[in-house]
Amino acid sequence: NAGVTQTPKFQVLKTGQSMTLQCAQDMNHNSMYWYRQDPGMGLRLIYYSASEGTTDKGEVPNGYNVSRLNKREFSLRLESAAPSQTSVYFCANAERGNTGELFFGEGSRLTVL
Amino acid sequence: SQQGEEDPQALSIQEGENATMNCSYKTSINNLQWYRQNSGRGLVHLILIRSNEREKHSGRLRVTLDTSKKSSSLLITASRAADTASYFCATVKWDDKIIFGKGTRLHILP
Repeated sequence: NAGVTQTPKFQVLKTGQSMTLQCAQDMNHNSMYWYRQDPGMGLRLIYYSASEGTTDKGEVPNGYNVSRLNKREFSLRLESAAPSQTSVYFCANAERGNTGELFFGEGSRLTVL
Repeated sequence: SQQGEEDPQALSIQEGENATMNCSYKTSINNLQWYRQNSGRGLVHLILIRSNEREKHSGRLRVTLDTSKKSSSLLITASRAADTASYFCATVKWDDKIIFGKGTRLHILP
């Protein structure tokens, strides 16, 4: 079992380009999360999905959109990338967001030039 | 702003000593969790303490929670070189929102 799979692992974009980060889990968990991590800032929550069919904003949602495609998949889209979105992005999931531990993917390193 | 704030930001101790990290938060929580991260990889869950618990143990880890002060501490006893990592607290709210602090960088000296 792969657990949590993020693609791509690395991406370089030019300012204004769009892209989608994909996340898939084979753990049959209900809740899924997208975080970004910048040096010295810890992880900041972008969006989360407590269950299939729902999505909610986190701490830093501006410039991003998400889709909870089904129970397994939760994608993060940058419509018009900006240099400030250069970061490492982590997808995570939990059986239930308010009761269980988070399981993380390996991260996607995004650079916006 | 981030819900949890750890202190210290960085900590260096000798192997074998105990390491203590603290976390303060701002609003009501369902539970609080501690995670470890090695070299920019994905975080790994260490321990969870519920809002109605005051102390919890797991191996060399001891976590306390004081909801009146909105604070938690993580104690790692008899530290090892392999404990060198960044440690984060995460506050879990009743609406499934999980917010992380900025972390404590722990360095174990040989």
